[in-house]
Amino acid sequence: AQSVTQLDSQVPVFEEAPVELRCNYSSSVSVYLFWYVQYPNQGLQLLLKYLSGSTLVESINGFEAEFNKSQTSFHLRKPSVHISDTAEYFCAVSERDAGGTSYGKLTFGQGTILTVHP
Amino acid sequence: DGGITQSPKYLFRKEGQNVTLSCEQNLNHDAMYWYRQDPGQGLRLIYYSQIVNDFQKGDIAEGYSVSREKKESFPLTVTSAQKNPTAFYLCASSRDTPSPLHFGNGTRLTVT
Repeated sequence: AQSVTQLDSQVPVFEEAPVELRCNYSSSVSVYLFWYVQYPNQGLQLLLKYLSGSTLVESINGFEAEFNKSQTSFHLRKPSVHISDTAEYFCAVSERDAGGTSYGKLTFGQGTILTVHP
Repeated sequence: DGGITQSPKYLFRKEGQNVTLSCEQNLNHDAMYWYRQDPGQGLRLIYYSQIVNDFQKGDIAEGYSVSREKKESFPLTVTSAQKNPTAFYLCASSRDTPSPLHFGNGTRLTVT
């Protein structure tokens, strides 16, 4: 069975500082990896995803994540954060079979609350 | 615009009552999911459905029931057998795999 561990429950940073939100997963098969963001009292929005190909994936708002198979990690980074990045971030993993199918069942980490201070 | 609609946003019930949460999507997605969110525990899968008239239990299905009579709709019933029903419930859908999930804005259920 797959599992996801987000190593930090809360990360406070100052505006324009860099940030890294850590995510490690456990799985016996190949996986797809996702980062989602949640603003208060809302649903989750996809931030970025790793399906195949380049291990470095980027979002349109400056976040990036790198898939590291040997360390089973998918850490999220941003070189300079804004106040508007304050939210809860979830790492998620979906196992895939030999045919590449995952059936969409995601296992989520516990979440990391990112708070950006002025 | 296409999306997922969950209603109501807030729901209050007395202990011992069954309650049904609505989830409707107009994205023409085949698969739909229900997750439960509790502070510090992330999201946990309750039920999912890959096709109409078929659904499977997730990790925490006890005390919940679902139906999938239409492609667009996937209602969740929280029964009186659910021991700790107060939570934030999220419905999601996906077109196929490995497409990412699209989420609704959730229903916050409070049972007293």
